[in-house]
Amino acid sequence: LAKTTQPISMDSYEGQEVNITCSHNNIATNDYITWYQQFPSQGPRFIIQGYKTKVTNEVASLFIPADRKSSTLSLPRVSLSDTAVYYCLLFSGYSTLTFGKGTMLLVSP
Amino acid sequence: DAGVTQSPTHLIKTRGQHVTLRCSPISGHKSVSWYQQVLGQGPQFIFQYYEKEERGRGNFPDRFSARQFPNYSSELNVNALLLGDSALYLCASSLERQGGDTQYFGPGTRLTVL
Repeated sequence: LAKTTQPISMDSYEGQEVNITCSHNNIATNDYITWYQQFPSQGPRFIIQGYKTKVTNEVASLFIPADRKSSTLSLPRVSLSDTAVYYCLLFSGYSTLTFGKGTMLLVSP
Repeated sequence: DAGVTQSPTHLIKTRGQHVTLRCSPISGHKSVSWYQQVLGQGPQFIFQYYEKEERGRGNFPDRFSARQFPNYSSELNVNALLLGDSALYLCASSLERQGGDTQYFGPGTRLTVL
């Protein structure tokens, strides 16, 4: 069973900021929070990973509160090409990645 | 640097046949994991190999097997194919097996069983 809960789907428009929240109430001390993006019939693409506070890279930001029981992936100024499924996972290195159904993000013009 | 590569890209087999899928990890990566993704679902873990040893196995029947070679490439074998084995098979590699180690996925092999 996936250890995370995220919305099944979200809708947005081009140029908007999109925030996808993930709940992980039973996160373990060794777990990192990892987000992947997947387009149809392609392998998941790593977006961002964090342990606590805030992480930012060239494509996204990841906000993690102090209790680490949730996290928010922030995609600034989305475009049509950001339409994809986004997966939130917990990963400790020694464990395997357990995927849920992810969040289907649809970006419209 | 090249990413994770998988071969073949697509494959069509009939029930009862055997299939071998191949994966080459990112250079320097020692851990390889295999996942099965059926349509509409997230990837499901099959195997993890690290330093040529099996380090994890998902809930898949014994018809599924894998191995890792000295150069860290890997093969996934599936015997006695069933229609339900039709899926996208994904390989992911990571540097080690440590906390925070990112898994990078290949493009996948699309297997169709008729």
